[in-house]
Amino acid sequence: GQQVQQSPASLVLQEGENAELQCNFSSTATRLQWFYQRPGGSLVSLLSNPSGTKHTGRLTSTTVTKERRGSLHISSSQITDSGTYLCAMEQGTGSKLSFGKGAKLTVSP
Amino acid sequence: GALVYQYPRRTICKSGTSMRMECQAVGFQATSVAWYRQSPQKTFELIALSTVNSAIKYEQNFTQEKFPISHPNLSFSSMTVLNAYLEDRGLYLCGARTGNTEVFFGKGTRLTVV
Repeated sequence: GQQVQQSPASLVLQEGENAELQCNFSSTATRLQWFYQRPGGSLVSLLSNPSGTKHTGRLTSTTVTKERRGSLHISSSQITDSGTYLCAMEQGTGSKLSFGKGAKLTVSP
Repeated sequence: GALVYQYPRRTICKSGTSMRMECQAVGFQATSVAWYRQSPQKTFELIALSTVNSAIKYEQNFTQEKFPISHPNLSFSSMTVLNAYLEDRGLYLCGARTGNTEVFFGKGTRLTVV
């Protein structure tokens, strides 16, 4: 079955509102990494943390490894935040990541 | 900073032919390289993981005979899609890292099969 599940699958917000994206994984993870996928398909790494909370700009990633879940919080959303956000779980060492199906965020004026 | 370049960015090949794509790590040593594919309307699937001094590990549904990978040094990897058909179309991403650090991705090679 799907190892990484993201919710919600899509989210529509008004500019200025906060977004909360969830990620649940079915097996033990050593790290959770969040990506933004550009319209052309390329991935932008947003945050990567094995556990706890990490901030960058308006983004906050929280990973609770023992509970097999993580979240990405986007504060004061902007129209340019619109796009697909992917959660990826890492198991063990190496580059192997298991991706969720993504969450499509739409921010309107 | 750490960067990963992939080329070509886009390619079109005829059904039944083969296509080679390359991945270059700049600013760090790519001790591990993983190749992923995102088929239309799907998420990323791992094809194989290559770690220096270890055998390349292919995921279920992907084989060396179909997707041979080369990882000859700490800055370069290539993968070939042999005998490409319609179901092979999609975005192929290379992800590289040093040891246990964060994974850096290239911008991908988009393969169209006609």
